[in-house]
Amino acid sequence: AQRVTQPEKLLSVFKGAPVELKCNYSYSGSPELFWYVQYSRQRLQLLLRHISRESIKGFTADLNKGETSFHLKKPFAQEEDSAMYYCALSSEYGNKLVFGAGTILRVKS
Amino acid sequence: EAGVVQSPRYKIIEKKQPVAFWCNPISGHNTLYWYRQNLGQGPELLIRYENEEAVDDSQLPKDRFSAERLKGVDSTLKIQPAELGDSAVYLCASSPTFEEADTQYFGPGTRLTVL
Repeated sequence: AQRVTQPEKLLSVFKGAPVELKCNYSYSGSPELFWYVQYSRQRLQLLLRHISRESIKGFTADLNKGETSFHLKKPFAQEEDSAMYYCALSSEYGNKLVFGAGTILRVKS
Repeated sequence: EAGVVQSPRYKIIEKKQPVAFWCNPISGHNTLYWYRQNLGQGPELLIRYENEEAVDDSQLPKDRFSAERLKGVDSTLKIQPAELGDSAVYLCASSPTFEEADTQYFGPGTRLTVL
């Protein structure tokens, strides 16, 4: 079964501090991993996907198949990064997304 | 571009009453998804459509939930009768094709409260 675990409900950091949002997954095949973000009063939107290997808004995420993790990182947090972040998994067939419970990121000034 | 449109945005009903949600996907998107998001959890897929065909409804509680996507465009999700546990946000999403399932575009959601 596909499962995504985000162990932290809330992560609070100061502006300029590094951020790491944890994501672990369970899937026996070759998954595709994503991070979605929901800013206050906005709809859920794709932040980045592991196959793109790109940095979006300063965020990066590396798929570690050995540790079955896909942690989201940013070296210097900004106040506008405050949002709800969801890690999601799709099978190699791309048929549906399985979401984690989400982590609230609060960046304090 | 309006994106995915959903209505109503909020709905409050008493238990045992029926309720319906409407979704208009992005123009040209063949795949449409309905998710339910309970408080403190991530979205969970209820049903996925490829054009007008429901290709994955394994998570849809079929005793009380039904959905349709006439003409492969707009979709309606219905609950009859609603139960207290149905209180949640119902999200609609669309993507250009099945193969691009990762590029899902979400609507604002309908927040349902069952009293």
